[in-house]
Amino acid sequence: DSGVTQTPKHLITATGQRVTLRCSPRSGDLSVYWYQQSLDQGLQFLIQYYNGEERAKGNILERFSAQQFPDLHSELNLSSLELGDSALYFCASSAHSDRGLSTDTQYFGPGTRLTVL
Amino acid sequence: ELKVEQNPLFLSMQEGKNYTIYCNYSTTSDRLYWYRQDPGKSLESLFVLLSNGAVKQEGRLMASLDTKARLSTLHITAAVHDLSATYFCAGVNRDDKIIFGKGTRLHILP
Repeated sequence: DSGVTQTPKHLITATGQRVTLRCSPRSGDLSVYWYQQSLDQGLQFLIQYYNGEERAKGNILERFSAQQFPDLHSELNLSSLELGDSALYFCASSAHSDRGLSTDTQYFGPGTRLTVL
Repeated sequence: ELKVEQNPLFLSMQEGKNYTIYCNYSTTSDRLYWYRQDPGKSLESLFVLLSNGAVKQEGRLMASLDTKARLSTLHITAAVHDLSATYFCAGVNRDDKIIFGKGTRLHILP
């Protein structure tokens, strides 16, 4: 158990809908990362937050948004869903980051499997 | 834009043998990550390599980084079945965007 929790584990929804994925980092970790894994696109880095602020941005679509709250949990919002958004979404946390991406070990949550029908 | 290529993509090997997974990247990357993923599971961080000549070892796995050659290697010594998994390397571009390789699916035969 990495100490990172993600909810829900599974999500099935329809095209055009909006969903929110939630991530709680390990206690004390200030950085949260979001990743997407699909058969078509492989593993992709979406975005990183550090202590509530966006720190690095990857292949995150404009239809997607994320934020990190004062209690350090993070949410990834996916809207106007398309079939191609079906994927596993992982979050990870690490202790700190003095600039950009942390060099600390990242601890991954179990993931949320999103199916768009 | 940074590109990361792993090879081989599939590897089947016998227990007890040694092998190396290669990770080439196209432009400067100031750090290199290695991850492991078991089937149906999440990712596990293995190593973060920060500088030229960096070498890190954990059990039967050893990772190294040659920034001049833009190459990182993950060496497996005396493989055991428990090391069967998919291994990913990832580099970081100037904008701190992590770019992953396609992964190497490793199957170790007992």
